[in-house]
Amino acid sequence: DSGVTQTPKHLITATGQRVTLRCSPRSGDLSVYWYQQSLDQGLQFLIQYYNGEERAKGNILERFSAQQFPDLHSELNLSSLELGDSALYFCASSVGSGGAGEQFFGPGTRLTVL
Amino acid sequence: LAKTTQPISMDSYEGQEVNITCSHNNIATNDYITWYQQFPSQGPRFIIQGYKTKVTNEVASLFIPADRKSSTLSLPRVSLSDTAVYYCLVGGNNAGNMLTFGGGTRLMVKP
Repeated sequence: DSGVTQTPKHLITATGQRVTLRCSPRSGDLSVYWYQQSLDQGLQFLIQYYNGEERAKGNILERFSAQQFPDLHSELNLSSLELGDSALYFCASSVGSGGAGEQFFGPGTRLTVL
Repeated sequence: LAKTTQPISMDSYEGQEVNITCSHNNIATNDYITWYQQFPSQGPRFIIQGYKTKVTNEVASLFIPADRKSSTLSLPRVSLSDTAVYYCLVGGNNAGNMLTFGGGTRLMVKP
């Protein structure tokens, strides 16, 4: 158990819908990262937040947004969903602000768009 | 932007040493190289990290040549439980730094 929690574990929705994925980092960790893992694209870095502020942005679509709240939990919002958004979404956390440091990954949320 | 390339799969036998190489020709000066292990239906788990030369911990070694355009993860004496997918990650610690994963190497350890 990494100490990172993600909810929900599974999510099934329809095209065009909007969903919110939630992540609670390890106690004491200030950075949260979001990743998408799909069969054709592999593991893709989406975005990083550090202590409530956006720190780095990866291949995140404009239809996706994220934020980190004062209690350090984070939410990833996916809107106007398409079939291709079906994937595993991982959240990770780390103590410091650097993305190259050791990250602790949650169990993931499996999103299925029908 | 560092593009990272790994072999898709490798086979080994219990007790052997396994070396998995990652190619990252466009690595930036402030980028580090990190390796993760992933089992099915789980999130990746940190193995080792380095910047240059050699790093060793209790489970693996990481070799990075002087030009830093590649790196090799070395797993000594693998066991069946090392069967997993191994990913290299290239990225820096500065604000705005991109993090780029390789495509992953599926290691199968046979008895």
